[in-house]
This record gives sequence, structure tokens and C-alpha cells, in this order.
Amino acid sequence: QLQLRESGPGLVKPSETLSLTCTVSGGSISSDSHYWGWVRQPPGKGLEWIGSIYYSGNAYYNPSLQSRATISVDTSVNQFSLRLSSLTAADTAVYYCARVLIALFRGGIISYSFDIWGRGTGVAVSS
Amino acid sequence: QTVVTQEPSFSVSPGGTVTLTCGLNSGSVSTRYYPSWYQQTPGQAPRALIFSTKSRSSGVPDRFSGSILGDKAALTITGAQADDESDYYCVLYMGNGISVFGGGTKLTVL
Repeated sequence: QLQLRESGPGLVKPSETLSLTCTVSGGSISSDSHYWGWVRQPPGKGLEWIGSIYYSGNAYYNPSLQSRATISVDTSVNQFSLRLSSLTAADTAVYYCARVLIALFRGGIISYSFDIWGRGTGVAVSS
Repeated sequence: QTVVTQEPSFSVSPGGTVTLTCGLNSGSVSTRYYPSWYQQTPGQAPRALIFSTKSRSSGVPDRFSGSILGDKAALTITGAQADDESDYYCVLYMGNGISVFGGGTKLTVL
């Protein structure tokens, strides 16, 4: 059974950079049928997609966060990571990593969903 | 800017049927956006319910169904139960690796 687990600091100072890692167990991150994504949820608010990455390293970002977010993948240790720079209090949230199930046909995506989620890790931005 | 719209809240009686919708500020939702639906209870990670408009995720009971109704994606719960009381989110795939979450619907069963 594939599982994802987020890890990282629970508290970060404003203007600093957040680094989170998602460890994938019970399956390979080097899958043709999946992206790997990050989603966050501020306290009392809805879910927001941050970005996703393919095992090849191709990454896609929410346009509103693209200038501050970087997602990377390390297939040798079955992990992918998120770096978010220039933090403010608005970045305080629970951060989830998730597997994105895709189906491809003639090079194009014909199905896309977040099928497995980590439990989430809380991040507070405060001095 | 792409905005995915959902009803902020909805209520349903136990045993009743409710349909939640997922719209797009810039036009109609169609199957080509591969709408998916997620259930989230407080303090828990989201759980996948529906993908590609109407396919149920593994282990999801058949009282949850997805469709396109008019110009929106829809999630219908038939025979609502107390533990269906949750927040429900839709996601639309916009192409080029970009996905957008709706604001969520808080469903009350009473």
C-alpha cells in the first residue's frame, strides 16, 4: 500500500524559505502514471494547489506561487520536495503532499486526480 | 484568473439526496477538465471520491456519483448518512500541468 509522509519544520520565520520533503513508501516515485504534488490549507480555509512534478523533473506551478515555489524530485531516495521562499504569515497552513494519478493518450493527459494523500504537516510562519 | 466555484454550504436530511456543483468563472465545465471530487473531515487529509467526472475511487460507496449537469460538474450523494457531513472540494485540470481547487462546500446532514 503506497503511503506518503511529509516532513519539515513546524515553525519558520517571516522572509525565510520553507523546505518540506515528502517520502513515498510502498511504491516507486518513478512511475509513468503519476505526478507528485503539493497542496496547502490555511487555517479555516480551503485547499490550494501549489504545484506538481513528474519523476523526470518536469514541474508545474500555481501561477500565484510560481515566483516563490520550487519542487524537486530525488528518485534515488523516493522523495520529492517543496521550497517556498519569502514567507509571510499568509503562508501559514497545513501542507499536504499527494500522488496525482494521470492517464496519458498520444502524449496528452486524459485523466488527472489526487488519489493518495499524506497526512499533512502544519507550518506556522512567525517571528 | 481562473476561479472554480462551489456552493459555500449545503444541508441535507439523513437519507436524502443532495447535489453539489462545481463551476468555472470563465465558462462551462466539461469532461475535458477531468473534474475530481474530494471529501475532507476536520483534522483529516482529503479523501478522493470521484475522478474523470464520474469514476469512483477505490472503496467509495456507489451512493456517491459524479456527472456534468448543465455547465457544471456535479457530485450527488444519494441516501445521505451522518458521516457524510464533511467539506467537499472539486478540482479541475486546466491543462499544461495546472489544476485549480474550488473553494469547497460544507455539507451538513441534519
